[in-house]
This record gives sequence, C-alpha cells and structure tokens, in this order.
Amino acid sequence: SQWGEENLQALSIQEGEDVTMNCSYKTYTTVVHWYRQDSGRGPALIILIRSNEREKRSGRLRATLDTSSQSSSLSITAAQCEDTAVYFCALNYNQGKLIFGQGTKLSIKP
Amino acid sequence: EAAVTQSPRSKVAVTGGKVTLSCHQTNNHDYMYWYRQDTGHGLRLIHYSYVADSTEKGDIPDGYKASRPSQENFSLILELASLSQTAVYFCASSDSAGRKGNTLYFGAGTRLSVL
Repeated sequence: SQWGEENLQALSIQEGEDVTMNCSYKTYTTVVHWYRQDSGRGPALIILIRSNEREKRSGRLRATLDTSSQSSSLSITAAQCEDTAVYFCALNYNQGKLIFGQGTKLSIKP
Repeated sequence: EAAVTQSPRSKVAVTGGKVTLSCHQTNNHDYMYWYRQDTGHGLRLIHYSYVADSTEKGDIPDGYKASRPSQENFSLILELASLSQTAVYFCASSDSAGRKGNTLYFGAGTRLSVL
C-alpha cells in the first residue's frame, strides 16, 4: 500500500472554526493533490502542492507538504457551511497514475 | 470548462449479466481513467489509458475490461457482473503534459447496483 496511517475519518466543527486534515503516505511523490467531493458528485481538485513548495495557499485553503516525513495537510480557515464535503489527498505515481487516500468527511455546523 | 460525461448515471444489473459503462470527454486529454468508489471509502483505479486503442491495468482490474476506441471515449465492461461490483464508478480525464500536474477531471459518476 502507498499509505501509512489510515486517514479515513469524520470531522464535525462549528462554522467559523479552523480545521486541518492530514495525509501520510509511504510512496515517493513530488506532487500531492487535494480533491473535494460534494455529495452525489465526482471529486474536484481544490489545491495542488509540489515538493519544492512546502506551503501553498488558495483563498481560505492552505496546503503543506513535508517530503522528509512524507506527509501533507490541508487547512481551512474560518470554515463555512458550504465547506461540508469529503476531502481526499492523492499522489502522483508510476506513469501518471493518481492514487487516492481514504478521505475525510468534514461537516460544518451552523 | 473541462467536461467528462458518464452514462448511464445509474444502473441495476443482474448477477452474471454484462454491463457497459460509457465515458465521453471533450477536454482533448490524452489520459482517461476508471475508478470505483465504495461507500465511505476512497477511489481505487481499475483501468486507465493514455492513447486511443490502448488500455492499461490499474490497481484492481480483475473482473473488468476497458476499451478506448477514440481519444474522447472510454468504456468499462463487466462481462459477468457480480454482487461485489456494486459501487459508484467514476471516469476521469487528464492532460499529463499540462502545467496542472496530472490534474484529474471527473465525471458525475455511475451508480451500479448488481442484484
């Protein structure tokens, strides 16, 4: 398996709080993708971080990547109800394939 | 806007029957993929293709065949459907040579129930 810790979990927070989701992996990669999946829809890329970036921001999203510890995180600042979704990290490996983690189901309560 | 269209959106099949799931993309992407998602889990790669008339096995290819007759179309075929193949199936495309690091663009999914 390309994954270390199982990152399937469910998080529930109040609107306005900050939240961080973690992803640990075992295989070598230079790119970590974070996808968001809304109920009944396919996943969609929300942020992509490369090994030379360590941190990347997009609006209220912040991704980090630590290749030495083989881990990545996705943080959402001041979460809103519309952030409710399942979030996946995914790794590039072997001829352009992308492998997905188990995901984190995030629920934002008003 | 990237567009990947899957058909049908849902299907009920009988055990032992043949099922074909279709995918059409208008992104002009070279790569296409089939993933399955089981309830409460991540996505697992079944088959993929990087050029028309050629397919490659992914991580869980057993029980599935794939066909890529053109750059735009990619089908997933279950010759003998089994109960364990009940899942949601997602098609995706990507431009692996692009700046976005092999970003996948997904269709809306096909919910398959095998009875």
